[in-house]
Amino acid sequence: DAGVTQSPTHLIKTRGQQVTLRCSPISGHKSVSWYQQVLGQGPQFIFQYYEKEERGRGNFPDRFSARQFPNYSSELNVNALLLGDSALYLCASSLDVANEQFFGPGTRLTVL
Amino acid sequence: GQQLNQSPQSMFIQEGEDVSMNCTSSSIFNTWLWYKQDPGEGPVLLIALYKAGELTSNGRLTAQFGITRKDSFLNISASIPSDVGIYFCAGQNNAGNMLTFGGGTRLMVKP
Repeated sequence: DAGVTQSPTHLIKTRGQQVTLRCSPISGHKSVSWYQQVLGQGPQFIFQYYEKEERGRGNFPDRFSARQFPNYSSELNVNALLLGDSALYLCASSLDVANEQFFGPGTRLTVL
Repeated sequence: GQQLNQSPQSMFIQEGEDVSMNCTSSSIFNTWLWYKQDPGEGPVLLIALYKAGELTSNGRLTAQFGITRKDSFLNISASIPSDVGIYFCAGQNNAGNMLTFGGGTRLMVKP
């Protein structure tokens, strides 16, 4: 079975632009979580979605938003990009809210 | 943001040696997990722990959930070159909806 997939793998944007990152969970998983991993640090929780509803939100500004679709895939949107948004954005899926989370390969975002 | 205190930050060991790393928190967690991350990839789940005091093995890896529920450790026995990578601990909260990660332990193995 395919694992968690994310697209694109790499992305370069300039300050002030907007970006959309995509994630497809493992088949049968209904929950998707997003994490930001800055170089040299552990991942930081951004959002969790389950059955299209937000179930958790980390300490990130309103420029960050997400949604989950009926097929359980998800998008993460970041508006008004800042240099500090440069990071690896990881998507993780789980059967439901409290089960183990399995990570995708990430999207490397560079903001110039 | 909050992170767990993970130590050591890095280790450079000889192939065949055993490795130990640990993670501590000021908060209680219901679940502890250990992940390994290779360069350019996402974290891969190694071991999940669900009960205080639980000791779980996965091949050469052994991990324990601390009695206080505020700490965990991971041991790797007889290290091999492919063990190289960054190891992260993560605590899962009561609601189960978020993971809090440690800062990682970078493991380097000399053949």
